[in-house]
Amino acid sequence: NAGVMQNPRHLVRRRGQEARLRCSPMKGHSHVYWYRQLPEEGLKFMVYLQKENIIDESGMPKERFSAEFPKEGPSILRIQQVVRGDSAAYFCASSFRAWDRSTNTEAFFGQGTRLTVV
Amino acid sequence: LAKTTQPISMDSYEGQEVNITCSHNNIATNDYITWYQQFPSQGPRFIIQGYKTKVTNEVASLFIPADRKSSTLSLPRVSLSDTAVYYCLVWGTNAGKSTFGDGTTLTVKP
Repeated sequence: NAGVMQNPRHLVRRRGQEARLRCSPMKGHSHVYWYRQLPEEGLKFMVYLQKENIIDESGMPKERFSAEFPKEGPSILRIQQVVRGDSAAYFCASSFRAWDRSTNTEAFFGQGTRLTVV
Repeated sequence: LAKTTQPISMDSYEGQEVNITCSHNNIATNDYITWYQQFPSQGPRFIIQGYKTKVTNEVASLFIPADRKSSTLSLPRVSLSDTAVYYCLVWGTNAGKSTFGDGTTLTVKP
């Protein structure tokens, strides 16, 4: 897990506020993946980004959620007008190349941001 | 994406070998099998990956039968620090898009 930095580690928001979750990938990694994990469940894919581009956002809710990975700086997962159901742990992973079998690449996960909506 | 089924929980004692089996009946020809370990409040950590037969590394072995409809993660001589959730992931073209199953909670007792 060392190398992929997520902040904050814990985030508390009131219903209706915005939440911004940051992910700094490992040095040299240009591929970032965001996942959401509800209590007692596995991680569910949300979005895959490669520097300045969203490659696949099929796992992300159509409303209130957005993600970006600018040329400079961390990847940001933004949740607008949060609701209690958004409370979860959000993990990001990064890889040097696209994380698929053709590249035999491993992805490394951060320690997650635990979002609590009150 | 192939659906995976794992036992919800397993108990073991220090020094024992632990085998966790994952069923993936709908695995596709080009799919790989990867196992991850997750401790509380941390992100998943890669353990081992394979396509068929047997794979071994410094921490675990992965056994995959010829029909590839299941796989078994083998942890030799577990210790208390191996208490964690273990996820089996079956993936093909885009591993990053895969969804982890509910995992197996392994509890190692002294």
